[in-house]
Amino acid sequence: EDKVVQSPLSLVVHEGDTVTLNCSYEVTNFRSLLWYKQEKKAPTFLFMLTSSGIEKKSGRLSSILDKKELFSILNITATQTGDSAIYLCAPNTGNQFYFGTGTSLTVIP
Amino acid sequence: NAGVTQTPKFRILKIGQSMTLQCAQDMNHNYMYWYRQDPGMGLKLIYYSVGAGITDKGEVPNGYNVSRSTTEDFPLRLELAAPSQTSVYFCASSYSGHADYGYTFGSGTRLTVV
Repeated sequence: EDKVVQSPLSLVVHEGDTVTLNCSYEVTNFRSLLWYKQEKKAPTFLFMLTSSGIEKKSGRLSSILDKKELFSILNITATQTGDSAIYLCAPNTGNQFYFGTGTSLTVIP
Repeated sequence: NAGVTQTPKFRILKIGQSMTLQCAQDMNHNYMYWYRQDPGMGLKLIYYSVGAGITDKGEVPNGYNVSRSTTEDFPLRLELAAPSQTSVYFCASSYSGHADYGYTFGSGTRLTVV
């Protein structure tokens, strides 16, 4: 059965801290993995990862995929209150995405 | 471009009532999806479509029906609403299943069944 596990489930940090969010997956016919940020509305796209070991960066956010060990991490450096959200990872099998339950990040001023 | 448009944004249904959640996209995307998100949970796929006239079940299809008569529209039908269907429903679209730039999501429909 396809499975996506994100950890931790929730995280509370202070502004300026660095956080690492984890996503492990077991899906058949894996094609890619996407990270989304969800505030009080629809998820917004952050990254798509298809190759192992190649880091993708966007400002203070970065992500990397390990296809051998079946996991991905999302790093956020120098966190800000605007980073408070649920972060979802979603491996893709070609026809559909499987979403994890997400990591809820709260950044305290 | 409007992207993915969902209507209504909110709805309260009584048990046993029926309704259709509307979803339309104007990006000429082939793939469209319906997800539900329960409180504290991830998104679960209800149905998806890879093109007009083609639909397929996702992870949690029971109690729902869909149709895809045009590329633009992908309505989700609830025939006999049950409290277990209280959730936030998201429609999404992508050009292909590989979704090179991820999905585009609608703003969601918050449904309460009482």
